[in-house]
Amino acid sequence: GAGVSQSPSNKVTEKGKDVELRCDPISGHTALYWYRQRLGQGLEFLIYFQGNSAPDKSGLPSDRFSAERTGESVSTLTIQRTQQEDSAVYLCASSLGGRRGGLSYNEQFFGPGTRLTVL
Amino acid sequence: GNSVTQMEGPVTLSEEAFLTINCTYTATGYPSLFWYVQYPGEGLQLLLKATKADDKGSNKGFEATYRKETTSFHLEKGSVQVSDSAVYFCALSGYNFGNEKLTFGTGTRLTIIP
Repeated sequence: GAGVSQSPSNKVTEKGKDVELRCDPISGHTALYWYRQRLGQGLEFLIYFQGNSAPDKSGLPSDRFSAERTGESVSTLTIQRTQQEDSAVYLCASSLGGRRGGLSYNEQFFGPGTRLTVL
Repeated sequence: GNSVTQMEGPVTLSEEAFLTINCTYTATGYPSLFWYVQYPGEGLQLLLKATKADDKGSNKGFEATYRKETTSFHLEKGSVQVSDSAVYFCALSGYNFGNEKLTFGTGTRLTIIP
């Protein structure tokens, strides 16, 4: 497809279960970001990928959160032993990245998000 | 660290009214500034951006000027339409070896009534 896709669109899980959220970025976009939006709050940065490497994981809230990216394409965000405070919309974004010829290619294109509800 | 302070909502205006949504920021260096919009039932999309001081971003009748002296990036539109009803997010990004993670404001919900 032409845009960023995410799956599932909705996920309801019980406290203590593990969940996996998937992101398919725009083809050719080397930069990939995960954010989350808790109810009534702004978006919070979680992790940044450049290719398959994650040079910035500073936004991951705890060691229960992890993410990987393979083939410079699909990324998976995993939350282990989910807690109720993990309930949020998880958004993925991709961009070409970089600055060339005085131009910045930093526009991030967002997916529709995964709404996670932890009961 | 970087932060964005955005006008609290919700904001309700009549059609054809003038719109201003205030946004101020704190950042080191020379960030890029953005306005993103989320229409009902849709994903977040870029509305406009500015990458250096005094740049004006514009799109769909909306404008915002990067003011370094006041650290502001206020969103304006001269005559709003019902179709402009959405949530608007101000954001900034720095540049750190390719990492342009966004720092967002809390969002402003705008409702335009006919």
